[in-house]
Amino acid sequence: DVKVTQSSRYLVKRTGEKVFLECVQDMDHENMFWYRQDPGLGLRLIYFSYDVKMKEKGDIPEGYSVSREKKERFSLILESASTNQTSMYLCASSFPGPRAHEQYFGPGTRLTVT
Amino acid sequence: EDKVVQSPLSLVVHEGDTVTLNCSYEVTNFRSLLWYKQEKKAPTFLFMLTSSGIEKKSGRLSSILDKKELFSILNITATQTGDSAVYLCAVEIIAGGTSYGKLTFGQGTILTVHP
Repeated sequence: DVKVTQSSRYLVKRTGEKVFLECVQDMDHENMFWYRQDPGLGLRLIYFSYDVKMKEKGDIPEGYSVSREKKERFSLILESASTNQTSMYLCASSFPGPRAHEQYFGPGTRLTVT
Repeated sequence: EDKVVQSPLSLVVHEGDTVTLNCSYEVTNFRSLLWYKQEKKAPTFLFMLTSSGIEKKSGRLSSILDKKELFSILNITATQTGDSAVYLCAVEIIAGGTSYGKLTFGQGTILTVHP
């Protein structure tokens, strides 16, 4: 069974804090993704990575950065958290190529920035 | 700009009813359309569609794609309370000739099935 785990289910941070969200997968997937999910907007892609140390911007990268130092781990960083980054954050992973669409999601981290 | 639109945004039915969920898209470099089911936590994969007119079926769920009119439908027959969830439609895009699994999602349809 594929397992994608995220470091926290719930997180409360203050405006201006640096926030790290961690994601780990155990299926040796090359691709990893970070999404945020907001009511009425669906899932929106923030960043993705197709290999260690490789990263690509998604549709809404502003205010975020990522790090992929090991194949199994993909971190999302909010350099200076703001209230408009309050959201549900979902991590996903997949194999490359023809199976890239078959993404396995983690349980999500609900982040509140006050 | 790539766009995926789902309708309706929410739906309330009774057990045994049949429902049809819609997904329309406008994207460049289409590769596939996907349906996911999201209960309380992580979305889980239901179907991938790449060819027009070929129905994919899994139990009471079925889906079909129309690449000419740029839409897909997801049908659920004889609904059960366990079908209550958010149903997400996503389109996979090819970038530079390669698919990295970049997905553009619709807003989702919230389905509530009452006993």
